[in-house]
Amino acid sequence: ETGVTQTPRHLVMGMTNKKSLKCEQHLGHNAMYWYKQSAKKPLELMFVYSLEERVENNSVPSRFSPECPNSSHLFLHLHTLQPEDSALYLCASSQDRAGISGGEQFFGPGTRLTVL
Amino acid sequence: QKEVEQNSGPLSVPEGAIASLNCTYSDRGSQSFFWYRQYSGKSPELIMSIYSNGDKEDGRFTAQLNKASQYVSLLIRDSQPSDSATYLCAVTGWGGGFKTIFGAGTRLFVKA
Repeated sequence: ETGVTQTPRHLVMGMTNKKSLKCEQHLGHNAMYWYKQSAKKPLELMFVYSLEERVENNSVPSRFSPECPNSSHLFLHLHTLQPEDSALYLCASSQDRAGISGGEQFFGPGTRLTVL
Repeated sequence: QKEVEQNSGPLSVPEGAIASLNCTYSDRGSQSFFWYRQYSGKSPELIMSIYSNGDKEDGRFTAQLNKASQYVSLLIRDSQPSDSATYLCAVTGWGGGFKTIFGAGTRLFVKA
């Protein structure tokens, strides 16, 4: 595997389900990100981890819960989601959190989430 | 006011023409500027970065930065149908903690 991988690629869940999204980066990067992308809206940054420490949480509802067990893996745990949470969820990584490399992000293919 | 603003398009150009994509940003302290390309149904891919005023060329792509006007642009020369995609502008800086902020993107359509 190379780059940034995400599983599953597609997920359909009911509002009462619990599911998890997984991201793995094979680039030796120190920072990892979760973004939400909805139609015709800018990428919304959800969480940032740097060296396995959460450094940013952009007022994301508690029904989204991130986990970063090591610098290569990032999870997004989902529970009691709402239909408006349906979107493309993108994971990204960068060499470092800040500085020039902070903006040079490598994205995974995304998980298309549909909440019924 | 949006922090990073782009015309949503679509911008339509004929094959072989120059496509010009524009982006303005609100934080005067912004430091680094990036262009990402996102094909339909795919994830964003970094294509250019620029850090100082002026032009930076990479193949058919030229990024232009004017910090005084808070303006960054991407020129695509000899546009090809394969360039048809959404182009995202991203800006980084230390306002209120380090941030990378993306614009909503401009859809480009290159007609064969």
